[in-house]
Amino acid sequence: EAGVTQSPTHLIKTRGQQATLRCSPISGHTSVYWYQQALGLGLQFLLWYDEGEERNRGNFPPRFSGRQFPNYSSELNVNALELEDSALYLCASSLASGTGDTEAFFGQGTRLTVV
Amino acid sequence: KQEVTQIPAALSVPEGENLVLNCSFTDSAIYNLQWFRQDPGKGLTSLLLIQSSQREQTSGRLNASLDKSSGRSTLYIAASQPGDSATYLCAVITYKYIFGTGTRLKVLA
Repeated sequence: EAGVTQSPTHLIKTRGQQATLRCSPISGHTSVYWYQQALGLGLQFLLWYDEGEERNRGNFPPRFSGRQFPNYSSELNVNALELEDSALYLCASSLASGTGDTEAFFGQGTRLTVV
Repeated sequence: KQEVTQIPAALSVPEGENLVLNCSFTDSAIYNLQWFRQDPGKGLTSLLLIQSSQREQTSGRLNASLDKSSGRSTLYIAASQPGDSATYLCAVITYKYIFGTGTRLKVLA
C-alpha cells in the first residue's frame, strides 16, 4: 500500500511568487497535517485538515493557506514568498480525526527554496 | 503551552556504545509519544510509537520508555553503529504532533 506522497520533491521560487505543494494521504485516511521545518529550526505545526475542513492552524501568517479535496488529498499554498519560507514541508495523514490516539504517517517532504 | 525538550542536543560516540537520549515535555495531557529519526535533508522515519497506556516499546536495538506523570521519555540505543548517525526527534501527540528540539547523533567507526 502506498504511503503518504508529496509533490514536488523540490521547488525553487522567487521571492514574492506563490508556491503550491501537494499531498496525497494513505488510502482511508481523512486527516492531513502540514508541518514546516526551516533550517536550524524544529518541526512546526502549520495546518490540520479533516473531512475537507480546516480544523486548526499553527502560528503562521494568513499567506500560508491550503485546502483538502473530496478525495482527502491536500494542497498547501504559500503566497508572497519570503526568503525565510525556505524549508522542508512535511505532510502527514491519519485515520481518526484529531483524537491523537492513532498514528500519523509522514511523507518525504517538499524542499522549498526561495531565492 | 506544551514544550518538548531533548537532551543532549548533540552527541558523538564511538561505535558499540549504548546510548540514552532524553525527551521531556511540560504537559502530561498527551495521548501518545513517538520517536523518529531524520537523516540530513530527508523526511522522518518512525522508530517507536508508545501509546498512553503503555510504558515502553522495543524494536531491535531500540527501546523507548514513557513516564507521563514525570513528563519524560527515554530512547535507549544498544550497541550503536555508524548507520545510527542521524537526528533523533521525539514528538508528543494530542490532536497534532509537537516535536522536540532533536538530538544530533554521530557514531564514529
